[in-house]
Amino acid sequence: DVKVTQSSRYLVKRTGEKVFLECVQDMDHENMFWYRQDPGLGLRLIYFSYDVKMKEKGDIPEGYSVSREKKERFSLILESASTNQTSMYLCASSSRGITSNYGYTFGSGTRLTVV
Amino acid sequence: KQEVTQIPAALSVPEGENLVLNCSFTDSAIYNLQWFRQDPGKGLTSLLLIQSSQREQTSGRLNASLDKSSGRSTLYIAASQPGDSATYLCAVRPASGGSYIPTFGRGTSLIVHP
Repeated sequence: DVKVTQSSRYLVKRTGEKVFLECVQDMDHENMFWYRQDPGLGLRLIYFSYDVKMKEKGDIPEGYSVSREKKERFSLILESASTNQTSMYLCASSSRGITSNYGYTFGSGTRLTVV
Repeated sequence: KQEVTQIPAALSVPEGENLVLNCSFTDSAIYNLQWFRQDPGKGLTSLLLIQSSQREQTSGRLNASLDKSSGRSTLYIAASQPGDSATYLCAVRPASGGSYIPTFGRGTSLIVHP
C-alpha cells in the first residue's frame, strides 16, 4: 500500500513560532502537495512540488514556504505562525504517470492550533 | 478553469437505503476521477479511481460511474450502514497543460442513522 505519513497528528504552537510540518511518502511519487482544510472552504492548495528542489505556489502560499530536498520528503514551513493559520493540514502525493492506479494518496492530517 | 460540484452537500438517510452521490465537472479533459472518504478530523481515504477510458469501477458495496462527455460521475452506495457516515469528495485530474494539480469538489456529508 502507498503510504503518506505526516509526522504529527496534533500540534499546538505559539504565535510567532517557526513551525515545520513534515510529510514522507514511500511510493517514489514525483508529485507532492500541501493543502489546508477549513470548514466551509474545502481543500485549498498551499504549495506543490513535481520534483526534488522544485516547487510551485498554490492558491494560498502567503505565510508559508516549502522544502523538498529528497524525493520522499516534502516539508511545509510556517515562517511566523499566526492564529489564522490554525487549520487542518493535509499532505498528498501522486505519480506523474497517467496510467497509475493510485491517483492521489493523502496522509492522515495534522491539526495545527496556533495560540 | 475546471469546476467540480457535488450535490447534495448533505444527506441523512436511514440504514439500509441505497444511495447515489453526484459529482459534476465543467471540463471533460480529464485523465481520471477519484472518489475519497473523509472521517471527521482525519485525512482523505481513496475509495475508487476511474480512468478516463473507463465507465465504472466497483469495490464491495461501492460503485462509481463516469460519463466524461457529460461531465458527471456518481458514487452508488448499496445497503448503507452507520459506518458509512462520513464526507465523500470527488477529484478530477486534468489532462491538459501538463498540470498535475487535481480539482476537488466540496464534498457530500453523509449521515446514516440506525
